Amino acid sequence: ILNVEQSPQSLHVQEGDSTNFTCSFPSSNFYALHWYRWETAKSPEALFVMTLNGDEKKKGRISATLNTKEGYSYLYIKGSQPEDSATYLCAFYSGGGADGLTFGKGTHLIIQP
Amino acid sequence: NAGVTQTPKFQVLKTGQSMTLQCAQDMNHEYMSWYRQDPGMGLRLIHYSVGAGITDQGEVPNGYNVSRSTTEDFPLRLLSAAPSQTSVYFCASKGYGYTFGSGTRLTVV
Repeated sequence: ILNVEQSPQSLHVQEGDSTNFTCSFPSSNFYALHWYRWETAKSPEALFVMTLNGDEKKKGRISATLNTKEGYSYLYIKGSQPEDSATYLCAFYSGGGADGLTFGKGTHLIIQP
Repeated sequence: NAGVTQTPKFQVLKTGQSMTLQCAQDMNHEYMSWYRQDPGMGLRLIHYSVGAGITDQGEVPNGYNVSRSTTEDFPLRLLSAAPSQTSVYFCASKGYGYTFGSGTRLTVV
């Protein structure tokens, strides 16, 4: 069973502040790292799929970086807004053998007005 | 533009009953999968399929059956429901990232 760790587990951020959180994953047999945004009572929504070491992706105020050699990815949110409140999931994909993503338990982000 | 459609949204079963959770996608994705989400556990893979006629087990397959007779549909069957199967179930298909259905909240009493 692959170990995908996310920290912190939960995070309270003041509106307007920037924040970031971490996903750690196995550095061997890397194929892709996914980030999802999951709002309460909705389904997870894909943010990024990252495949290359050093990759940096951006979508509006949200960006992510990837270090496959040391096995971590950071998700950054610039100028947090209340609508950013959600659980952010990362998921590791090793590509071969048994298919499917191994998910972290998520970082629950609450933006306080 | 339906994406992934899951039914039902809610279900209560008695221990020992069987049921099928339906999942359909209209994006012509070959890969589909079922996850369950439990508090403190994250999403765990139950079964997956890489195309019509091909299925395989994930991390927590016991008590569940799947079939994939068409590209569009990937139903999940609970053979004899147990309280341990109380969970929220998500179906997903793989394109750019995974597209998830809206979930089925299942309670087994």
